[in-house]
Amino acid sequence: AQSVTQPDIHITVSEGASLELRCNYSYGATPYLFWYVQSPGQGLQLLLKYFSGDTLVQGIKGFEAEFKRSQSSFNLRKPSVHWSDAAEYFCAVGTDSWGKFQFGAGTQVVVTP
Amino acid sequence: EPEVTQTPSHQVTQMGQEVILRCVPISNHLYFYWYRQILGQKVEFLVSFYNNEISEKSEIFDDQFSVERPDGSNFTLKIRSTKLEDSAMYFCASRSVDFNEKLFFGSGTQLSVL
Repeated sequence: AQSVTQPDIHITVSEGASLELRCNYSYGATPYLFWYVQSPGQGLQLLLKYFSGDTLVQGIKGFEAEFKRSQSSFNLRKPSVHWSDAAEYFCAVGTDSWGKFQFGAGTQVVVTP
Repeated sequence: EPEVTQTPSHQVTQMGQEVILRCVPISNHLYFYWYRQILGQKVEFLVSFYNNEISEKSEIFDDQFSVERPDGSNFTLKIRSTKLEDSAMYFCASRSVDFNEKLFFGSGTQLSVL
């Protein structure tokens, strides 16, 4: 069965600094990988997804993620965070793209001035 | 961007009562989902629905749960007799038939069972 782990429950970062959120998955084949963001009172918004092809994926809001098969990882990065990036971030893995995903526990990002 | 709409945003109920959570998916979408997130825990898949029937469900989705698309626009989740452990944020999601299209999530209904 697939699983996804986000090792960091909480990250604090200064505005303008870089951000990296870790995600590790366990699955026998190449999974479909997603990063979602949830702001307070909002739904889950898709940042980016990886199905196949180029392992460096560009998303919305200046985010990118890199799929590394050898490390079973799909880490999310942003070179320079903005205060509006404060939110909870979820990594998700699916055996197909149709919507039955398994989500990680989430990483809460706090942005300080 | 189109939105999935969920109502109410917050529902409080007594244990043993029935609740219906409502969702209006995006109009041209054909695949519908319910997920839930218990406070402090992961977002969990409950059920997927296509062509007026359940296509897949998790072990969480027992006989107390049911889903329905009563008309062309609404998609509902019913919990027949709520338990304390049903307290969670419930997310509705929908997608089109396009394989590369993303899953759109609603903003959730926070269910509190007292």
